Amino acid sequence: EPEVTQTPSHQVTQMGQEVILRCVPISNHLYFYWYRQILGQKVEFLVSFYNNEISEKSEIFDDQFSVERPDGSNFTLKIRSTKLEDSAMYFCASSEFTGKEETQYFGPGTRLLVL
Amino acid sequence: SQKIEQNSEALNIQEGKTATLTCNYTNYSPAYLQWYRQDPGRGPVFLLLIRENEKEKRKERLKVTFDTTLKQSLFHITASQPADSATYLCAPGFQKLVFGTGTRLLVSP
Repeated sequence: EPEVTQTPSHQVTQMGQEVILRCVPISNHLYFYWYRQILGQKVEFLVSFYNNEISEKSEIFDDQFSVERPDGSNFTLKIRSTKLEDSAMYFCASSEFTGKEETQYFGPGTRLLVL
Repeated sequence: SQKIEQNSEALNIQEGKTATLTCNYTNYSPAYLQWYRQDPGRGPVFLLLIRENEKEKRKERLKVTFDTTLKQSLFHITASQPADSATYLCAPGFQKLVFGTGTRLLVSP
């Protein structure tokens, strides 16, 4: 069964450093998402991406964040200058774009720890 | 702002019983509502989606109801098993999913 994959599974970084989280969505999916979950809190939407551009973003997704689809398979989330409060689990998700209700398939997540 | 409320207290039930989880939402009129399962340290896994014009939807031992007047969805697991122990999340809408905090279900043998 096709699945969303994410790398790395864990990332430890120093405050102020840049990190890039990588995702490979399911191959025939056209809509991509990033969510985050701070430990013990709810899953929060960050951004959705379709047709090589951001379709929607949340208040969390400020200028420190960016997303990119550098090639036909990868989807990345970059945090330019990490802060302590960026420590969280980051989930990538993808869905088909049928114009109807769509299931989002989530990856296993990248646990980011900012020291 | 949109608000999704799920019972934050864990629900403990015995194997074989029916678990019922509640999702209430405010400031929102979603056309769809989805339920996901999340295990510790893992990503959410889609379970069921129900449309606003559907009162009830079933999938194997799972049943979801959607009352747009009460702004509430109920999620039932019949004949529960210890393997059903997880956190269950509701999310009105699709695409930009706004999740509730989730309800942790513990099924004891």
